[in-house]
Amino acid sequence: DAGVTQSPTHLIKTRGQQVTLRCSPKSGHDTVSWYQQALGQGPQFIFQYYEEEERQRGNFPDRFSGHQFPNYSSELNVNALLLGDSALYLCASSGRTSGATDTQYFGPGTRLTVL
Amino acid sequence: AQRVTQPEKLLSVFKGAPVELKCNYSYSGSPELFWYVQYSRQRLQLLLRHISRESIKGFTADLNKGETSFHLKKPFAQEEDSAMYYCALHPNFGNEKLTFGTGTRLTIIP
Repeated sequence: DAGVTQSPTHLIKTRGQQVTLRCSPKSGHDTVSWYQQALGQGPQFIFQYYEEEERQRGNFPDRFSGHQFPNYSSELNVNALLLGDSALYLCASSGRTSGATDTQYFGPGTRLTVL
Repeated sequence: AQRVTQPEKLLSVFKGAPVELKCNYSYSGSPELFWYVQYSRQRLQLLLRHISRESIKGFTADLNKGETSFHLKKPFAQEEDSAMYYCALHPNFGNEKLTFGTGTRLTIIP
């Protein structure tokens, strides 16, 4: 099992463009969370997907949207890119255990640079 | 709102010396606390969580609800402990948001 995988590894965009980042969860996991990690900061929760629906959302504008597919993989879309969107985007997957918080396993991240 | 504070951005410790990475949190309920670690050129990975009460790689952390702290400790530092450490809080079941601190970079001096 390769664990959580993300693509692409690096991405360079210009302001105003749109970007799509992809994530495949760890085998057996059905829940995907996305985080933004700016330089020198800890990861910040963007949203989480479960059963193809957004289950919870952090304090991010509507320019950030996502999708989860029937095979549990997920996409993060960011529209109208701003310079401040430059960051490492992390995907984490987890599985639902009975009444407990399951451990989130992180991918290697996608480094987005907005020029 | 929940918040996690790691007061030290950088911490240098000699090999063999004790290590303590501080973490304080604010949350009105009973959260679950985690320590994540990121070694050089590796992905973020779970080190330990308070409910499991395990010792991983010699590290332990005790949840102190009175002081709202979850400090990470190791009695004798090893060079391979050099890494970035993040404390994280999960509010409770049903609220899936994991809140991270800003991290502490630990450097072990040979």
